[in-house]
Amino acid sequence: DIQMTQSPSTLSASVGDRVTITCRASQTISTWLAWYQQKPGKAPNLLIYGASTLEGAVPSRFSGSGSGTEFTLTISSLQPEDLATYYCLQYHTLFTFGPGTTVTIK
Amino acid sequence: EVRLVQSGAEVKKPGESLTISCRTFGYTFPDYWITWVRQRPGRGLEWMGRIDPDSSHTDYDPSFEGRVSISAEKSSTTVFLQWSSLQASDSGMYYCARQGQLLVPFDFWGQGSLVTVSS
Repeated sequence: DIQMTQSPSTLSASVGDRVTITCRASQTISTWLAWYQQKPGKAPNLLIYGASTLEGAVPSRFSGSGSGTEFTLTISSLQPEDLATYYCLQYHTLFTFGPGTTVTIK
Repeated sequence: EVRLVQSGAEVKKPGESLTISCRTFGYTFPDYWITWVRQRPGRGLEWMGRIDPDSSHTDYDPSFEGRVSISAEKSSTTVFLQWSSLQASDSGMYYCARQGQLLVPFDFWGQGSLVTVSS
């Protein structure tokens, strides 16, 4: 089984800050990595797939990078509506979600 | 418009059986796998398993293998998640999601079905 870890587990930042979340896989997954945003009480929403491809109408302040075992999600300028929990997902071998990173606004 | 519409909230007792559903709209049903994801209260997302609606082939995470069953009905474009004997630890929100094609994983999600198991 492929295990996923994320850091930090929580972070608090101010509006306008640059925010970076890291996701690590227990073995290489190439770029079979996606990021999801889940707002309280809602279903998850796909942000990025293929490690760096932005989905549809996702704002350009979100970006993803990485390959192999280490990946990052960056929010270039944090907005109030970005309050959410962010999950990475590996889909190289079936599927495994990371434990999540909760982003709060200072 | 692609939509996944799930069945409503359920309250059950331990040992009871349950089937929840995910009805799909707006795309060719056999062409996309459907997956189920669990989220326990205050916890993260857990991939449970998936089904190919065309062949009814299923894959399960080892944690859920033998505990749940996923099936599909082409005539109603609906996927089901079934338990034969619920436990309190099965309480949580359950989401169905469509697995996209090529590089895209879960692109459309249902609204979630809340399952509460309590004596």
